[in-house]
Parts: sequence; structure tokens; C-alpha cells
Amino acid sequence: ETGVTQSPTHLIKTRGQQVTLRCSSQSGHNTVSWYQQALGQGPQFIFQYYREEENGRGNFPPRFSGLQFPNYSSELNVNALELDDSALYLCASSTRDTQETQYFGPGTRLLVL
Amino acid sequence: LAKTTQPISMDSYEGQEVNITCSHNNIATNDYITWYQQFPSQGPRFIIQGYKTKVTNEVASLFIPADRKSSTLSLPRVSLSDTAVYYCLVGALNSGGYQKVTFGTGTKLQVIP
Repeated sequence: ETGVTQSPTHLIKTRGQQVTLRCSSQSGHNTVSWYQQALGQGPQFIFQYYREEENGRGNFPPRFSGLQFPNYSSELNVNALELDDSALYLCASSTRDTQETQYFGPGTRLLVL
Repeated sequence: LAKTTQPISMDSYEGQEVNITCSHNNIATNDYITWYQQFPSQGPRFIIQGYKTKVTNEVASLFIPADRKSSTLSLPRVSLSDTAVYYCLVGALNSGGYQKVTFGTGTKLQVIP
């Protein structure tokens, strides 16, 4: 149990819709990263938020966007959903104060039909 | 960014020691080496992290040679519950170089009764 929670656990959307996924970070952690994991693949980095600002981004289009709130919780928004967006979406929290590792939540399974 | 190479899969009998090696030839001076374990439909779980030589915790040991171009995760006396995918990750945590790191495809460990 890492203390990182995500909601919802599962979600079904249709192509073209928009989706918002939520993440509550572990207590004391001020950095949140989001990852996309397709079936049979390793997690792919989407972006990272630190103190409410995006602090690094992977190779994902702008329709993937995020927010971090003052309590360090975070949202991942995906617009104009495509079939290939079907994946497990993971958030991970960490702190920038030390060389501490990232702690992952259980993920949100998104299916786009 | 340091790229990692791991065996795609490994089999081991219960009670045996398992060693999984990861190659990271272009590791940077500031990079740490981190291993994660992931069960199906769950987020990755931190196992161990190191910079050089040997690190041991209650779960595993991590061996890193002097040139740091590879690392070996050692799991003592594996049980069926250790069946999972193991990822080697190289990056400078919480610094500018970590944001775009990817997990790769990992090593699928199958423990046999």
C-alpha cells in the first residue's frame, strides 16, 4: 500500500470523448508523474507536475493535459479520445527534496470504444 | 537518456535464487538505478535502488559493478508470489534528467512450483 490513490478504477469511453482521471499523492510528496501503460508494455512517461506546474513531458500530444492542485493531488485530462488511448493510466508521487523513488497508484483502466 | 536492456522472460523454481541483469551502457554520472516489480493490472512497486557497489534490503539485493554499465537484481529464494514483471530504470531522480525516462518492456519472471 503506497498511499497513492486513483479514481476511477475503470472507465469506458467512446472515440472523440474527453476523460478526466484523478490522483491523490502520498502524504508529504509534492511531485506527481503520469504514465500510460498499454497491454504488454512498460509504462510510458506522459508528464510530471511539481508545485502545480508541468515539469517535463514525454512524447504525448497536447490533447493530453494535466493539473496539480495546492494539496498536490492531480488530474490527467485527455481530449478527443482515440482507440489507441486504451491503456492503464498510472500516477506516481515523489518528493524532489531527496533522491526518493516514485510510488505508484493502482492505476485507472481506460477502454475507448 | 540511458537506455536499458533486460531479458524478456525468465523461469525459476520455487526456493531458488534469481538474478536478473540489466544493461545500461550510457548511464550518466548522476543516474541512479532503480528496480520495480509489477503484477498484472497494478502499479509498479519499488524494490530497490542503488548508485554503485551493492545494496541490500529485506526484499532483494542489487549489484552494480564499478563501471556501472550494468546491474543485477538478486531475489533470494523466490516463491510463487514473486511471479511478476521486473523493470530496471535508470535516471537521475527528481532532477531535470528523470522526466522522460521510460520503463522498457521489463523481464517477466515466472516462478514454477
